[in-house]
Amino acid sequence: EVQLVQSGAEVKKPGDSLKISCKGSGYTFTSYWIGWVRQMPGKGLEWMGIIYPSDSDTRYSPSFQGQVTISADRSTSTAYLQWSSLKASDSALYYCARSIEGELLIDYWGQGTLVTVSS
Amino acid sequence: LVLTQSPSASASLGASVKLTCTLSGGHSSYAIAWHQRQPEKGPRFLMRLNSEGSHTKGDGIPDRFSGSNSGAECYLTISSLQSEDEADYFCQTWDTGIQVFGGGTRLTVL
Repeated sequence: EVQLVQSGAEVKKPGDSLKISCKGSGYTFTSYWIGWVRQMPGKGLEWMGIIYPSDSDTRYSPSFQGQVTISADRSTSTAYLQWSSLKASDSALYYCARSIEGELLIDYWGQGTLVTVSS
Repeated sequence: LVLTQSPSASASLGASVKLTCTLSGGHSSYAIAWHQRQPEKGPRFLMRLNSEGSHTKGDGIPDRFSGSNSGAECYLTISSLQSEDEADYFCQTWDTGIQVFGGGTRLTVL
């Protein structure tokens, strides 16, 4: 059974750094693109970026390029999303999502990680 | 590459509803995915729909959910509506190195 299990909710202050995780299981982690999607309160889904764990090829949405870093650890089958300096506007629900093999259509989602940034 | 969805739709309990996702010009051959996001829950993959109208559903998705298309318009039909179908429905597609989401349709079951 394919599962994506994300790390727990975070409460941070503006300027803090943060790294959230998404552990994949039940499939060959290195064979599928895995990415991150943001959901702001009351809003739709926004694609942030994706990574191919086999070679760490990473693509970012122009909206998020330079704002976040996506990485993956093949040894632990875990993808990461990190910020070096959080802003209040980064408060949102973040989902990881795996794509269908050979495509970038999503077929599995993580349960979501709520990030709250407040002074 | 843009996906356009109506912001809202409504239908009665037990009825059917057809939600639309429109691919932008020149992209009618692209496959899409439909996802459901129920209140207070994470998204769930419903199906992959190709340009020929063939769909492949995700794990455990009931037969009440089906997909079809006509040109650039892609459809998600939900029959025998149940209260738990009240949710946001998003379409999603891709091109080399990018993923694209539609704005989502909020379905209200009356």
